[in-house]
Amino acid sequence: EPEVTQTPSHQVTQMGQEVILRCVPISNHLYFYWYRQILGQKVEFLVSFYNNEISEKSEIFDDQFSVERPDGSNFTLKIRSTKLEDSAMYFCASSVGYTFGSGTRLTVV
Amino acid sequence: EDQVTQSPEALRLQEGESSSLNCSYTVSGLRGLFWYRQDPGKGPEFLFTLYSAGEEKEKERLKATLTKKESFLHITAPKPEDSATYLCAVREGKLTFGQGTILTVHP
Repeated sequence: EPEVTQTPSHQVTQMGQEVILRCVPISNHLYFYWYRQILGQKVEFLVSFYNNEISEKSEIFDDQFSVERPDGSNFTLKIRSTKLEDSAMYFCASSVGYTFGSGTRLTVV
Repeated sequence: EDQVTQSPEALRLQEGESSSLNCSYTVSGLRGLFWYRQDPGKGPEFLFTLYSAGEEKEKERLKATLTKKESFLHITAPKPEDSATYLCAVREGKLTFGQGTILTVHP
């Protein structure tokens, strides 16, 4: 069964540092998404990406965030200057939301 | 703004004790209601998508139904391995998730 692969599974970073979270979506899917889940809270939409462009973004997705598809397979989420409140699980999803990755746990210290 | 409310927040069942989880929603243009299972530290695992009132879908011990205002996830004769958080989400472009119901099934 096709999978969405995310790396790393856990990232610990100092406040103010840049982090890049990586996702390999399902190869023939066209829409890609990032969601996050702060511990004990709802899964929240961050951004959707189609045809190498952002198609929709939430209020959370401010100038500190960016997404990229640097090659034909990877899909990345960059946080430029991490804050304590960025600590969360970050999920990549492929094509609407039928398939989520297992997530990256980001801990900002 | 889209609203998705799940109840109860937590549900404890004995093995074999059937029950239902509720997902109430308000959305201007529903393009699907999704149910997921989420295990601790894992990503949501897709279970069902429902598109129109009256639609029903089944998978093993789970059955999802949809009305114009809510969806139910019925669990028949649950087993301990059904213990997880069950999430619903509505799609209007992006997915908007509810808080989830934490289901614990005791042997």
